[in-house]
Amino acid sequence: DTAVSQTPKYLVTQMGNDKSIKCEQNLGHDTMYWYKQDSKKFLKIMFSYNNKELIINETVPNRFSPKSPDKAHLNLHINSLELGDSAVYFCASRGPGPNSPLHFGNGTRLTVT
Amino acid sequence: QQQVKQSPQSLIVQKGGISIINCAYENTAFDYFPWYQQFPGKGPALLIAIRPDVSEKKEGRFTISFNKSAKQFSLHIMDSQPGDSATYFCAASILGAGNMLTFGGGTRLMVKP
Repeated sequence: DTAVSQTPKYLVTQMGNDKSIKCEQNLGHDTMYWYKQDSKKFLKIMFSYNNKELIINETVPNRFSPKSPDKAHLNLHINSLELGDSAVYFCASRGPGPNSPLHFGNGTRLTVT
Repeated sequence: QQQVKQSPQSLIVQKGGISIINCAYENTAFDYFPWYQQFPGKGPALLIAIRPDVSEKKEGRFTISFNKSAKQFSLHIMDSQPGDSATYFCAASILGAGNMLTFGGGTRLMVKP
């Protein structure tokens, strides 16, 4: 069973559309994240979320919003998509303890045309 | 601003050789330094990590060297194998602040047979 799963794996859409990426983890972790990986492979934190606190990277446009229906899910909603949003988006989760590693999903490749 | 700088961007090593990837950080509050390995089409996965209270950590063929005064740390892969070909990311975080990782720009390693 995949520990952190994302759907869809590929998403192609036009500028101006609104889309969502789903993420589920079956590790029982309390904290989940969204990362964006650009074409140069640079990984940038977008959000950190647990059941108590949402931490937003201040550089993320407010067109991006995380939604967590429960502890095992953290979905990413993107409004009014732009060409520059094209990237691979990774969901991750982390267990308790200071040295707990991040467990990443396999990514969603978003292409905005 | 890029708080963690990684070099080189790409590296080609012969099988059996030593691969060395370097990272430098700016924020002296960072207290956790992991390395992640990413294969094509997959999410990054934790390889090895170090805390600043030790200068070196070794796990199998992988060694992290840490220089607190220079604010630098490096990954050494001994006896490099074609299966090690991947993108490697150094990262840093503050454990008491949500442990949100700041990643370096990545190094694409190719090990030639």
